[in-house]
Amino acid sequence: NAGVTQTPKFRVLKTGQSMTLLCAQDMNHEYMYWYRQDPGMGLRLIHYSVGEGTTAKGEVPDGYNVSRLKKQNFLLGLESAAPSQTSVYFCASSYSEVSYGYTFGSGTRLTVV
Amino acid sequence: AQSVAQPEDQVNVAEGNPLTVKCTYSVSGNPYLFWYVQYPNRGLQFLLKYITGDNLVKGSYGFEAEFNKSQTSFHLKKPSALVSDSALYFCAVRVNQAGTALIFGKGTTLSVSS
Repeated sequence: NAGVTQTPKFRVLKTGQSMTLLCAQDMNHEYMYWYRQDPGMGLRLIHYSVGEGTTAKGEVPDGYNVSRLKKQNFLLGLESAAPSQTSVYFCASSYSEVSYGYTFGSGTRLTVV
Repeated sequence: AQSVAQPEDQVNVAEGNPLTVKCTYSVSGNPYLFWYVQYPNRGLQFLLKYITGDNLVKGSYGFEAEFNKSQTSFHLKKPSALVSDSALYFCAVRVNQAGTALIFGKGTTLSVSS
């Protein structure tokens, strides 16, 4: 039982390049989330999904796009990377009931130069 | 707007002493409260949660937290700290409404010295 798996774990991009971060969960969770973690800022919600085919904006969605074509996968895309997007990105998933907590992936460390 | 505050960026305690990591929240509606821990270069791990019922909840690794509705607080506690407890701790809140996400505090670094 792998839980939540994020790929890649590390990436260096040049400004203007694009990339996709993949999140996969095997727990049949309905909800999935993308957060970014920056020093002194805690975790900030980028986008989230409450089911296959649905997505919604979080606190800091600008510069990112997401897709949830399959229930188990949640993709985060950067169309034109900027240095301000240098961060550690975490994916999480949960059941729909609000009393449940999240299961987190191990993170993707992205550097944009 | 919902928010979570962790007033201390860092908490330092000696091994064997009790520890407290503070958290206050602001939500409209009934809160569901969570504590997570993050070790270096790792994802967040669930410690404990308050949903309803007893105001004192017990979690993993000997941690507990006390929900105080009048003070809108949910402080994390442990009677006797271990060096291995040194990590980054996050408080989070979620309201009882479908489709809502967890709102995290900025985190508190706990440093336990031997």
